[in-house]
Amino acid sequence: DGGITQSPKYLFRKEGQNVTLSCEQNLNHDAMYWYRQDPGQGLRLIYYSQIVNDFQKGDIAEGYSVSREKKESFPLTVTSAQKNPTAFYLCASSRLAGGITGELFFGEGSRLTVL
Amino acid sequence: AQRVTQPEKLLSVFKGAPVELKCNYSYSGSPELFWYVQYSRQRLQLLLRHISRESIKGFTADLNKGETSFHLKKPFAQEEDSAMYYCALSGNAGNMLTFGGGTRLMVKP
Repeated sequence: DGGITQSPKYLFRKEGQNVTLSCEQNLNHDAMYWYRQDPGQGLRLIYYSQIVNDFQKGDIAEGYSVSREKKESFPLTVTSAQKNPTAFYLCASSRLAGGITGELFFGEGSRLTVL
Repeated sequence: AQRVTQPEKLLSVFKGAPVELKCNYSYSGSPELFWYVQYSRQRLQLLLRHISRESIKGFTADLNKGETSFHLKKPFAQEEDSAMYYCALSGNAGNMLTFGGGTRLMVKP
């Protein structure tokens, strides 16, 4: 069953702790993205990667870090430096060639709550 | 800088009524515009894009460069259209999308 898998679906963490959200895809897509979704603010881009071992900051990268060691995987770490980490996080992937421009495939999301 | 604005957070209509979800954008070049939809308990997914000039599930959207708008329209709303709708813009090569704040459409029976 092809698609994007995010884990965990729900995560609680104490202030001052780092937490890593997993994102795996088996669609053979080149590009992967992390978005943060807050009520009324839509989706805001945190980081994106168009190729293995390379990634770029999005609009709200501060307090986050990523890695892209494998094409299939794009984990996001929410660090203690992120001032307001409680949010819903969405991972997405897309083709860069041969696919429909602008078609991102999204995971089900991970809800992070900082206590 | 590119920006997408969806002025309505919530739009409520009766079944069979016309519906228009507004989207305005700011971008200095030639943008590509998209509508994404998220039905209850489903993933966010692409609904349509302006370059295809297609109608999906009865929805259409026309890019108006003069008014910098890309409103989503459907002449007769159905209850199954109830969902969260996001307008998105791509202003550069690749698929980095800038999303609007979203509009929740509720279609009442």
